Amino acid sequence: AQTVTQSQPEMSVQEAETVTLSCTYDTSESDYYLFWYKQPPSRQMILVIRQEAYKQQNATENRFSVNFQKAAKSFSLKISDSQLGDAAMYFCAYRSALTGNQFYFGTGTSLTVIP
Amino acid sequence: KAGVTQTPRYLIKTRGQQVTLSCSPISGHRSVSWYQQTPGQGLQFLFEYFSETQRNKGNFPGRFSGRQFSNSRSEMNVSTLELGDSALYLCASSLGPPNTGELFFGEGSRLTVL
Repeated sequence: AQTVTQSQPEMSVQEAETVTLSCTYDTSESDYYLFWYKQPPSRQMILVIRQEAYKQQNATENRFSVNFQKAAKSFSLKISDSQLGDAAMYFCAYRSALTGNQFYFGTGTSLTVIP
Repeated sequence: KAGVTQTPRYLIKTRGQQVTLSCSPISGHRSVSWYQQTPGQGLQFLFEYFSETQRNKGNFPGRFSGRQFSNSRSEMNVSTLELGDSALYLCASSLGPPNTGELFFGEGSRLTVL
């Protein structure tokens, strides 16, 4: 089975600064999708950004961008110009392109934004 | 468009009881997945339903079951509750195949087992 590892249980960043959250995954598949989800306190989980494995170009969504290293099986999330509203639990997730809709999630990184 | 709706939001049960959780997906979404979220464990996949059929099942005991109705609404049931079943149960919907899009999550049902 695929595994997703987030080695940083907690991170903090000063408001307006940049922070990078790490994620590694293990798979023998070549075609898959990677996601970062954000879960604010007591609120529902929402998608931050997604990356298709067949695309070499790193995905970006406004202040959020990823560094996708397929050979290293690494998928980090960079948040630029951090805002107080970015404080949340961030989950990295993997989904196979072949085996249906099952997502594999990491254990999450709790991000604190310091004013 | 209404989001994913889960009921009840909070519930307290005692060991040995059973519980049923409900999930209404986003209109037009035919795939519904269930996840168990606990501190330190992240999200663990329970099962996925598409067109009333279970397509995938995670590594949970048979006490955990689910079903999907013709209107895509889904229920999950946990029988003979154990203390370790205390968790946030998340439902997520998506369009389903051949779409390879994201999951849309509900706010979850927080189950406490005493």
